[in-house]
Order: sequence, then structure tokens, then C-alpha cells
Amino acid sequence: EAGVTQFPSHSVIEKGQTVTLRCDPISGHDNLYWYRRVMGKEIKFLLHFVKESKQDESGMPNNRFLAERTGGTYSTLKVQPAELEDSGVYFCASSSSGANVLTFGAGSRLTVL
Amino acid sequence: DQQVKQNSPSLSVQEGRISILNCDYTNSMFDYFLWYKKYPAEGPTFLISISSIKDKNEDGRFTVFLNKSAKHLSLHIVPSQPGDSAVYFCAAISKEYGNKLVFGAGTILRVKS
Repeated sequence: EAGVTQFPSHSVIEKGQTVTLRCDPISGHDNLYWYRRVMGKEIKFLLHFVKESKQDESGMPNNRFLAERTGGTYSTLKVQPAELEDSGVYFCASSSSGANVLTFGAGSRLTVL
Repeated sequence: DQQVKQNSPSLSVQEGRISILNCDYTNSMFDYFLWYKKYPAEGPTFLISISSIKDKNEDGRFTVFLNKSAKHLSLHIVPSQPGDSAVYFCAAISKEYGNKLVFGAGTILRVKS
């Protein structure tokens, strides 16, 4: 079974530019989550999709962040325009319905200069 | 406001000895707790979990203890092996929060051979 796949693994952009991160969850997992870890701190929740619907986006920092999950399969997280404080590792995770355990991807490291 | 706290940023243990990683939480609504392990450049991987109705769960070398009255849990690894060297994250779930994981900041475990 393929795991959660994230792309790119590392992105370096300048302040003001746009970046789009992609996540392919485990096939059949309805739940998809985005998390972020900044500067060795805790892994913070960003948002949760159930299929194509946003179940909870309470962790999204501001309106520069836009997440989509068209068709309930893969998801994208766009940051536009990027700011210095957006630097960090963005993790995607997925789970089947009702499961407490999430399977995480390897993360996408974003560096904003 | 950090609801899950791992107050020890790092821990160093000799191979073969016991490793004890601690975690405190503030929200009494948490009803399920998990430990994840993370190697560099990889995503967190699930290690072991415990429901709030239990006080101990064991899986091979790994045991998690939960003290609800103290709002404290710990992960015991015995015997510790060099391959256990990683960052360990404590996480908690509350149905009130829609089952999203709330993470601590992690503890770096180094097992010396």
C-alpha cells in the first residue's frame, strides 16, 4: 500500500511569491489533514478535509493560505503571497473514516527568503 | 496556549537502559492519546496509543502510562536501542475538537551505544 505522498519535498521561494504544495493521501482515505511545524516547535493543525469538504479550517493562519481537495482525492495547499513566517515543514496526513491514527507524509519543507 | 506539553526538549540514554519520555496536557476533554516517532526528513509515524479509559498500554518494548488525575502520560522504552534515536511527539484527541490531533513540541531521544 502506497503511503501519503507529498510534493515538493523542499521549496525555496522569495517573499511575495506563490507556492503550491501537493498531497496524495492513501487511497480510500476520506480524511485528509494539513499540519505545519515551525522552527522545531509543536506540529500545529491547519485544516481537515472529509472527502472534498472542509470539515475544520480553524488552524489556517490567514487568507494567504488556500487549501483545496477537488474530487476528494489529492489536496493542494497554496500560499500566496508567501511571507517569511510561513517557513516551516508542512505535513499532510490521512486516515480512514472513524480512525484515530493518522498516517503522515514526509512533509514539504518551505523556506521563504 | 499549548494544550500538550513536552517539557524535556531532549533526552540521552545508554543502549539497553530504559527511556522515559513525559507529556503533560491541560485539557480534560482529551480522551485518546498517541505517541509518534519522527526520523529526520521523514514524517511522524505512529508508535502506540492509549484510550482515556485505560492507564496502561503495552506493545513490545514500548509502554504508555496514563495518569488522568495528573493529566500526565509517559512513554517507556525498554530496552532502548540506537535505532530508537528520533524525535518523539505526544499527541491528544478530543471528540470536542473533531478528532484532530493536538501535538506537543517533541522530545529528541538519543540512545548511545
